[in-house]
Amino acid sequence: DGGITQSPKYLFRKEGQNVTLSCEQNLNHDAMYWYRQDPGQGLRLIYYSQIVNDFQKGDIAEGYSVSREKKESFPLTVTSAQKNPTAFYLCASSIDPALGGLNTGELFFGEGSRLTVL
Amino acid sequence: AQTVTQSQPEMSVQEAETVTLSCTYDTSESDYYLFWYKQPPSRQMILVIRQEAYKQQNATENRFSVNFQKAAKSFSLKISDSQLGDAAMYFCAYRSAYAGGTSYGKLTFGQGTILTVHP
Repeated sequence: DGGITQSPKYLFRKEGQNVTLSCEQNLNHDAMYWYRQDPGQGLRLIYYSQIVNDFQKGDIAEGYSVSREKKESFPLTVTSAQKNPTAFYLCASSIDPALGGLNTGELFFGEGSRLTVL
Repeated sequence: AQTVTQSQPEMSVQEAETVTLSCTYDTSESDYYLFWYKQPPSRQMILVIRQEAYKQQNATENRFSVNFQKAAKSFSLKISDSQLGDAAMYFCAYRSAYAGGTSYGKLTFGQGTILTVHP
């Protein structure tokens, strides 16, 4: 089945350590996104990529890094510079709305990764 | 920059009754997409309904319908015949339709509304 796979589902990290969250999609979508979810704050955009080898900072990019070497993959690294990394992280993908189609503009989400810093 | 506001942190409804969740947004653009997503306790985000701004007709998906007021920048979600399975966090979201703009491709979310359904 087509979809988005995030791993791991749960991750614990010690302060000062970098950690990488995986996101893989087999929907043949060009665009991919990383969102952070905290209680009472909804979803905030960390980074997004509209095409391979290109990505843009979102609203809260500080302390995070990404790469987009393959269309299917968009890993997120939470670095030690991120002051409050404990959160729920959601990866999503979409087709380019300019291409039209039934799913224009819609984001498809993975099941999320819960990161806890000890 | 676009903003999305959900002014109701929590709402509750009796099973089989109707409930309306509010959403307002701020934008200077004339063409965009609006969405309602549902996040049940499993945390999986599920698209409930979407609206294209150039369409005047309100979108409907079974028991879910929207009241899209473009001039007022309002996009409320009505759930009819509420079911226990409707209990979730609901997010309103905005996406620009202009390719090449600084906000193109980004989905901006509201803070969410927790819906409780009472049997």
